[in-house]
Amino acid sequence: DAKTTQPPSMDCAEGRAANLPCNHSTISGNEYVYWYRQIHSQGPQYIIHGLKNNETNEMASLIITEDRKSSTLILPHATLRDTAVYYCIARQAGKSTFGDGTTLTVKP
Amino acid sequence: SQTIHQWPATLVQPVGSPLSLECTVEGTSNPNLYWYRQAAGRGLQLLFYSVGIGQISSEVPQNLSASRPQDRQFILSSKKLLLSDSGFYLCAWSVFGQGRLFFGSGTQLSVL
Repeated sequence: DAKTTQPPSMDCAEGRAANLPCNHSTISGNEYVYWYRQIHSQGPQYIIHGLKNNETNEMASLIITEDRKSSTLILPHATLRDTAVYYCIARQAGKSTFGDGTTLTVKP
Repeated sequence: SQTIHQWPATLVQPVGSPLSLECTVEGTSNPNLYWYRQAAGRGLQLLFYSVGIGQISSEVPQNLSASRPQDRQFILSSKKLLLSDSGFYLCAWSVFGQGRLFFGSGTQLSVL
């Protein structure tokens, strides 16, 4: 897996968009970018993934730069329940390790 | 649909006691299976990885072992627990050859 770098923490106002960045400058051509989030004392939950095109689902949008060296997860209208640790990983298949992620705190 | 079961949810064990955590997956065949450990406030550390029955890859030297006696069963064990084995243990699976991981609900292990 390519190494990923994320800011340790971010704040966001409730109702505003939350933009979580991730750097993966050593990503290889066949590695996908995956995003998960973990609410305290629960297993991580899959959010979205992409290879090189931008992706959107019911939870979030994923913007990947053209050179694929970084990406941004966008939660369009953050709610208090979006407060969690968000992990970005770059992998194809098989084993992978999660870094410390970004702790997103949504404030009223 | 596929589901993953992991138990128990919490466990308190004395130092030197044995450990057995079990994880089972339903609704899929030949999954890749994983054991992760998470220290408080930290990311997930991959402990073991399996691509098939009896095929276990250990990622870090430690006091733990893993076994896969059946296609959809993954067991994490220890003969003698150490204080440093405390943590949040997560089982996960993925479709063979694909990247998306599906996690269990985790076991909070406290070794006292």
